[in-house]
Amino acid sequence: DADVTQTPRNRITKTGKRIMLECSQTKGHDRMYWYRQDPGLGLRLIYYSFDVKDINKGEISDGYSVSRQAQAKFSLSLESAIPNQTALYFCATSEGQGQEEQYFGPGTRLTVT
Amino acid sequence: GEDVEQSLFLSVREGDSSVINCTYTDSSSTYLYWYKQEPGAGLQLLTYIFSNMDMKQDQRLTVLLNKKDKHLSLRIADTQTGDSAIYFCAETDPSGGSYIPTFGRGTSLIVHP
Repeated sequence: DADVTQTPRNRITKTGKRIMLECSQTKGHDRMYWYRQDPGLGLRLIYYSFDVKDINKGEISDGYSVSRQAQAKFSLSLESAIPNQTALYFCATSEGQGQEEQYFGPGTRLTVT
Repeated sequence: GEDVEQSLFLSVREGDSSVINCTYTDSSSTYLYWYKQEPGAGLQLLTYIFSNMDMKQDQRLTVLLNKKDKHLSLRIADTQTGDSAIYFCAETDPSGGSYIPTFGRGTSLIVHP
């Protein structure tokens, strides 16, 4: 079984709708991250959490919110989706011990029409 | 702030060597990474190098680090069609204690038969 899972894998939604992307991990890591990937722009950090009570904004948090429900679960919400939020979204985890290898989920492809 | 730069595309013939280059601006980077993203998947760590090293070799992969020029390269020997992917350079900066990586935009490696 995959260590980092994301649901849904694909989603098409309309402008103005609320949508939640979910991430679960079985690695036992405290640190979790949400990124978005756009062609030619690479990965940009949206939010990150270093433990259950810790939430931090990343480079591009406007229009997004997150919830860390448990050590293993970190969800990303778009309160009112807009077309320029169409992107590939990745969840990742890391141990938090210096050599910070990140473990990525398979991604969620979100299209906002 | 930190900045990590990569060229966006590289095209090689099967069996040739590929060299993917990366420059970074943060002189206090401790770890530098190469991640690989295959089509439809998340990123996976390929290799990393600690900043006090000049070179690291792992089978077909050679990582070279020039700290003076802040230049990192990834050489793939005997490139195969299965090496076609997007390769991301990343660095972590220990200042502030977060060790959150900064990713480049990714280099798409296209391997022609």
